[in-house]
Amino acid sequence: QVQLVESGGGVVQPGRSLRLSCAASGFTFRAYAIHWVRQAPGKGLEWLAVISFDGTEKKYADSVKGRFTISRDNSKDTLYLQMNSLRPEDTAVYYCVRGSSWDWGQGTLVTVSS
Amino acid sequence: DIQMTQSPSSLSAFVGDRVTITCRASQGIGNDLGWYQQKPGKAPKRLIYLASSLQSGVPSRFSGSGSGTEFTLTINSLQPEDFATYFCLHHNTYPPAFGQGTKVDFK
Repeated sequence: QVQLVESGGGVVQPGRSLRLSCAASGFTFRAYAIHWVRQAPGKGLEWLAVISFDGTEKKYADSVKGRFTISRDNSKDTLYLQMNSLRPEDTAVYYCVRGSSWDWGQGTLVTVSS
Repeated sequence: DIQMTQSPSSLSAFVGDRVTITCRASQGIGNDLGWYQQKPGKAPKRLIYLASSLQSGVPSRFSGSGSGTEFTLTINSLQPEDFATYFCLHHNTYPPAFGQGTKVDFK
C-alpha cells in the first residue's frame, strides 16, 4: 500500500536550516506530484509546496517562498524540503502528501526555538 | 487565492446523531473538494473526494454534497470512532487551501 515516511525533523535555532525527507513506497513515485503541508501545534493545516512528477515544476505558498525549496530524487523515491532562515512560526508537524489521491505520511515535527 | 470558510469550528453531539459540517469557497471551485478526518496525533484521512465520492473503505454513513462554492459533509448516525476533527480541502487552483477544521466531541 501507499507509504510515505517523513524524517529529518527536530529542534533547530531561529535562522538555521533543516532538510526534511519523505521516503515513498508502495506506488510508482515518479508518476506523481507530491506536496508538503504543515500543521502548527493546535492549529489548522497549511499547504506549503508542490513538485511535479518529474521535478520540473514547483509552486510555493507565499509564507515560505524564497526560504523553502522542494525537490525530489526519483531514483531514490524520495522527496525533500530544504528549509532555510527558520522562524519560530515555522514550528509545526510537516507532512508529505501524494498528489491526486492526497495520501498523507505520518509527519515529522520541526521545532524552531532558541 | 481561494479561501475556504468552514463552520462550525466545533460541535457537541451524541452517538447516533446526524452531524452536518459546511465549507464555503470564496469563489467557485467546481467539485474540486475533499473532506478529511483527523484524530489526535494522526495524519489526516480522506473521507470524500470530488465533493461527493466516498473514499474506498469509508463507512457509508459519511456523505458529501455541493458544488461551486457551498459544500457539506454529513455524518449519519454518529459513532464513537467518529469523534475527531474534520476539515475540507480545495484543490481547484494553486494554492490549495484548507478549511479551519471542525472538532466533533461528545455532548
